[in-house]
Amino acid sequence: DTGVSQDPRHKITKRGQNVTFRCDPISEHNRLYWYRQTLGQGPEFLTYFQNEAQLEKSRLLSDRFSAERPKGSFSTLEIQRTEQGDSAMYLCASSFSRGQPYEQYFGPGTRLTVT
Amino acid sequence: RKEVEQDPGPFNVPEGATVAFNCTYSNSASQSFFWYRQDCRKEPKLLMSVYSSGNEDGRFTAQLNRASQYISLLIRDSKLSDSATYLCVVNKQVGDTGRRALTFGSGTRLQVQP
Repeated sequence: DTGVSQDPRHKITKRGQNVTFRCDPISEHNRLYWYRQTLGQGPEFLTYFQNEAQLEKSRLLSDRFSAERPKGSFSTLEIQRTEQGDSAMYLCASSFSRGQPYEQYFGPGTRLTVT
Repeated sequence: RKEVEQDPGPFNVPEGATVAFNCTYSNSASQSFFWYRQDCRKEPKLLMSVYSSGNEDGRFTAQLNRASQYISLLIRDSKLSDSATYLCVVNKQVGDTGRRALTFGSGTRLQVQP
């Protein structure tokens, strides 16, 4: 499968625990995005990498959230001291920076449930 | 006011019907426009881009009115497999980072019934 992959697909955790999600983008894509989607809403932008550089973070990304893309390939999103309000689908997307950069390809998402 | 507004539906239509979805956006700096499709508990997938001249892909027709900041999607001869949520998406360049920001509407749910 040459699409965007995410791991795990589902995560149930207790409030206060830390969780980490992984995203593997399409191999030729140098741009990587994280989004969050809650029930009945469209995805909302969280953060963006071009290669290994994190170029932008949304105001939605509190201090408890951190994202990395150390070698410009896969990325991780960590949430510390999870809260029930963090329950959502976390989506990763990737794209080229040339050609049609607006065509973002999404992974299957990680569904987080905080109990 | 949300940057991208859609009627949430659901739209319940019989097979073979024609259905139209509308969307408005508030940011005149928006540069590109799309419809994404999202099946239940799945990721969004690009359905089609939307051009000022209007564009068609099989049973799907998309139109853009920049003056009114309005986007539409028309589905003809609905199939059961068209049942999904349709997300209206606008895109603009953000600052100097090169990021092309996708802003999603909340989606319109379509249920095609036999």
